[in-house]
Amino acid sequence: QVRLQESGPGLVKPSETLSLTCTVSAASMSSYYWSWVRQPPEKGLEWIGYVYYSGSTNYNPSLKSRVTISLDTSKNQFSLKLSSVTAADTAIYYCAGRRRIAANGDGFDIWGQGTMVTVSS
Amino acid sequence: AIQMTQSPSSLSASVGDRVTITCRASQGIRYDLGWYQQKPGKAPKLLIYAASTLQSGVPSRFSGSGSGTDFTLTISSLQPEDFATYYCLQDYSYPLTFGQGTKVEIK
Repeated sequence: QVRLQESGPGLVKPSETLSLTCTVSAASMSSYYWSWVRQPPEKGLEWIGYVYYSGSTNYNPSLKSRVTISLDTSKNQFSLKLSSVTAADTAIYYCAGRRRIAANGDGFDIWGQGTMVTVSS
Repeated sequence: AIQMTQSPSSLSASVGDRVTITCRASQGIRYDLGWYQQKPGKAPKLLIYAASTLQSGVPSRFSGSGSGTDFTLTISSLQPEDFATYYCLQDYSYPLTFGQGTKVEIK
């Protein structure tokens, strides 16, 4: 069964770098655009960016200067680094996979359970 | 970035009710829209992609329609397990953008 699992520190100090890893089980790394999505407490969803099997990336312009998403196919993992964090980066961070489901459409059909990251000194 | 505006932001309904949620894009997105359901403490779940295609395993009481800028998610007969927050997501262009969500509560 396809499974995504986020891992990383739950507490990060302001101005430091948030680092999370998503481990992929039972899914082809080449079939998905691997994304990070976040959700501040009691708020909506925000797409952060993706990395594709080829290594290509695309980031949300609102975060682009601070974000790096990378892929390690040998470990079936992809990672998020968000630098210079502030309290506004406190959120649940989800890893998710988006793929072409049918000829006419794409969707995020696999998600991790999410991991809460708090930015505080 | 394309802005997605959902309405209403919340609604109260009873089991068996027909529920409609709308999503409007700030520019045309063809039919490149998905609907996601999120329950408290859980990750979002894909319900519909390409505006109207039901994801495998999703009950047929869920349906989607629309193209261009105006889209609708309909639940034909609300069930207890459908009380959740629903989000639309445009995947026509980057950055991908979600609507602000519609919380469906029990009346």
